[in-house]
Amino acid sequence: DTAVSQTPKYLVTQMGNDKSIKCEQNLGHDTMYWYKQDSKKFLKIMFSYNNKELIINETVPNRFSPKSPDKAHLNLHINSLELGDSAVYFCASSQQGGEKLFFGSGTQLSVL
Amino acid sequence: GESVGLHLPTLSVQEGDNSIINCAYSNSASDYFIWYKQESGKGPQFIIDIRSNMDKRQGQRVTVLLNKTVKHLSLQIAATQPGDSAVYFCAESGAGGTSYGKLTFGQGTILTVHP
Repeated sequence: DTAVSQTPKYLVTQMGNDKSIKCEQNLGHDTMYWYKQDSKKFLKIMFSYNNKELIINETVPNRFSPKSPDKAHLNLHINSLELGDSAVYFCASSQQGGEKLFFGSGTQLSVL
Repeated sequence: GESVGLHLPTLSVQEGDNSIINCAYSNSASDYFIWYKQESGKGPQFIIDIRSNMDKRQGQRVTVLLNKTVKHLSLQIAATQPGDSAVYFCAESGAGGTSYGKLTFGQGTILTVHP
């Protein structure tokens, strides 16, 4: 009965590869997000989607492409992975763009 | 341990003490503030929030205080327990509800509770 679930939990890959992270929420929320947490624990928004529409794109490189097939899912595809992409990526959701976000448990991406 | 090299502010307390974690924000237009707790290997977990039309809000064992004059936010945890050990983040949002969940996070504070 996890509210926001993302897979995989860990992702280790080589530079130049393409990878995807999946996220699903069962809270009935309209709005979903991707946040990135760097090695210093700093959390920063990457994208937000409301009812499958892109609302926020925080100048993320276009190697990162979010896709929302429906309002309960928001996936993140990353092309041509770089060393600097290593981080923990968190999916989150909220009701109608509200600021009280519910976060998933994160995907730790390591690019070698 | 996990905190090595992170250089985040740290707070060490004894079990049963009260803890106060502080946060300064810079955007005077921010009208919503929220505290999250992040345990090792987990995502941020909601603790308590407050809007700018209030200066205090209480939850179970936690209180958030907002001082808009000096742009300062604090989280008070009563009778701190070992299970409270985590990284605590404050975050802010502005523009009267049109921010679409764009929270700006502070740097985090590591709270360690000793039995």
